[in-house]
Amino acid sequence: EAGVAQSPRYKIIEKRQSVAFWCNPISGHATLYWYQQILGQGPKLLIQFQNNGVVDDSQLPKDRFSAERLKGVDSTLKIQPAKLEDSAVYLCASRYKRGLVSGANVLTFGAGSRLTVL
Amino acid sequence: AQSVSQHNHHVILSEAASLELGCNYSYGGTVNLFWYVQYPGQHLQLLLKYFSGDPLVKGIKGFEAEFIKSKFSFNLRKPSVQWSDTAEYFCAVKNNQGGKLIFGQGTELSVKP
Repeated sequence: EAGVAQSPRYKIIEKRQSVAFWCNPISGHATLYWYQQILGQGPKLLIQFQNNGVVDDSQLPKDRFSAERLKGVDSTLKIQPAKLEDSAVYLCASRYKRGLVSGANVLTFGAGSRLTVL
Repeated sequence: AQSVSQHNHHVILSEAASLELGCNYSYGGTVNLFWYVQYPGQHLQLLLKYFSGDPLVKGIKGFEAEFIKSKFSFNLRKPSVQWSDTAEYFCAVKNNQGGKLIFGQGTELSVKP
């Protein structure tokens, strides 16, 4: 089974520039998550999709961050304009089905996209 | 609000020493509990999980964790660590009403050969 694919792996931009990250979840996984992991901290959920609908975006800074999953498969996370404090690793994860209580129904993470804002 | 606390930020051990990493959570209802590991330069991987049943769960690479409901704890243990266990370990909790997965701040484990 192929894993969660993310690109780019690394990105360096200057503040006030824009950046976009792409995620391709595991085939058949309906639920997709974007997490932000700042150095020295645990991952923080930014947004959760169920198919192409948003389930939870309560911690997404909507003035600068946006995300979409138009066809219920791939997803893009955009930051515009970027701030210094956005420097972090952006993790995408997917899960088979939200709400399904099963030993097999756990999140699988991608390798992440490391953003450095100068 | 649901939260997860990991007691140690950085743990340094010698090979063959025993390991216990603390994790406490705040949520009054039924939870699903996880430990994830992130080896240097690699992505987060699931180490073990607890959904229900036996509160002592065994994971990969000789790790185990015990869910103590009365203490809201899910501590990770390994009787004898190896140099290859050097990594960052994250405890995570999700309420079973489809809630979001909340991570602790992580514990960095350094094992000296």
